[in-house]
Amino acid sequence: QKEVEQNSGPLSVPEGAIASLNCTYSDRGSQSFFWYRQYSGKSPELIMFIYSNGDKEDGRFTAQLNKASQYVSLLIRDSQPSDSATYLCAVTTSGTYKYIFGTGTRLKVLA
Amino acid sequence: ETGVTQTPRHLVMGMTNKKSLKCEQHLGHNAMYWYKQSAKKPLELMFVYNFKEQTENNSVPSRFSPECPNSSHLFLHLHTLQPEDSALYLCASSQAGGAASDTQYFGPGTRLTVL
Repeated sequence: QKEVEQNSGPLSVPEGAIASLNCTYSDRGSQSFFWYRQYSGKSPELIMFIYSNGDKEDGRFTAQLNKASQYVSLLIRDSQPSDSATYLCAVTTSGTYKYIFGTGTRLKVLA
Repeated sequence: ETGVTQTPRHLVMGMTNKKSLKCEQHLGHNAMYWYKQSAKKPLELMFVYNFKEQTENNSVPSRFSPECPNSSHLFLHLHTLQPEDSALYLCASSQAGGAASDTQYFGPGTRLTVL
């Protein structure tokens, strides 16, 4: 079983819609959860992180964490073509320096 | 310069060459990381340094040799590489590993091609 799983996509949404990206993880001791955006040929850039159950909002982005079900999601409201990228989920365990990344979900926002 | 910088941005080398990748962070962080990113695979952590001490070596072949002379600089020395080592090599840094909010920031990467 993969430690961090993401649907590779592509996930296609029309401009202005809500894009919903999901990530599941296997280690119940996981502590922090990060979402990165990676444009083709570029390096990952941090969108946001979450470590408490519930929702965390930052502008058009909302991260949702459910530790009991071992999933974390990222919602992008009012999706724009510029949001088209691969979204990486990363998970850390308490006391380690180790991020475990998923393979990423490719998002395409159609104009 | 701000953030995390990496040089060179592109590198083509033969299997018998020796080369080095350089990473520098200007964020005042204490931990630095090397990752390998291959097509259709998750980012693979290679090495972690915290306060210049190596704290993680993720079963990386000895043809990759890291060096961390101080908390701001990280090198990856390459020798006798294989074509399957061709990938994007990413450097990252963070304030200090282990804290819940510890966030890694990535450099632009070095695209390595081994012929």
